Amino acid sequence: DAGITQSPRHKVTETGTPVTLRCHQTENHRYMYWYRQDPGHGLRLIHYSYGVKDTDKGEVSDGYSVSRSKTEDFLLTLESATSSQTSVYFCAISEGQESNEQFFGPGTRLTVL
Amino acid sequence: GQNIDQPTEMTATEGAIVQINCTYQTSGFNGLFWYQQHAGEAPTFLSYNVLDGLEEKGRFSSFLSRSKGYSYLLLKELQMKDSASYLCAVMDSNYQLIWGAGTKLIIKP
Repeated sequence: DAGITQSPRHKVTETGTPVTLRCHQTENHRYMYWYRQDPGHGLRLIHYSYGVKDTDKGEVSDGYSVSRSKTEDFLLTLESATSSQTSVYFCAISEGQESNEQFFGPGTRLTVL
Repeated sequence: GQNIDQPTEMTATEGAIVQINCTYQTSGFNGLFWYQQHAGEAPTFLSYNVLDGLEEKGRFSSFLSRSKGYSYLLLKELQMKDSASYLCAVMDSNYQLIWGAGTKLIIKP
């Protein structure tokens, strides 16, 4: 299994508070992704990174920011959490973009009250 | 817009065969992936198709027809542990994965 961890695994927070989720990999993969998964929807890409300090927006990036200061860490920040951001968040990694499978972390279940 | 369609839920019997279909409309095509996701767990990779035809891997096979925008995942000799959601995803022209909502497969003894 790819070495990829997420922290925290569960979090409950209140509307308006900032939240940071962490993804850590030990595979030295270049690409890292943040997705959210909601019932009735497919996985939706929030942001992704193609190298240290190189990031780009995905399909549902509003209200989220990311940072990647080291190859192994990719942080997702909700500056001011809203109830619509209640979801399960998955981090994924891949060696490259073309034809490379993505390996997923265990997920973080976030509840915004 | 981009769209991936797959049935929401399917039921099959242990030991039988089941086919899960996926149709897609995307801006560009750079391959189609199938993932398995058990409840409360992360998705795990099952198969990748970029050329038309059938790819077989043990009990699981995946088929692709690019001209029809269609794929299926075939699961043979079903086991109870195959109860899971099966996710279809297409890599578009920007090399981003577009995901279907998943098919929940229920296996009955």
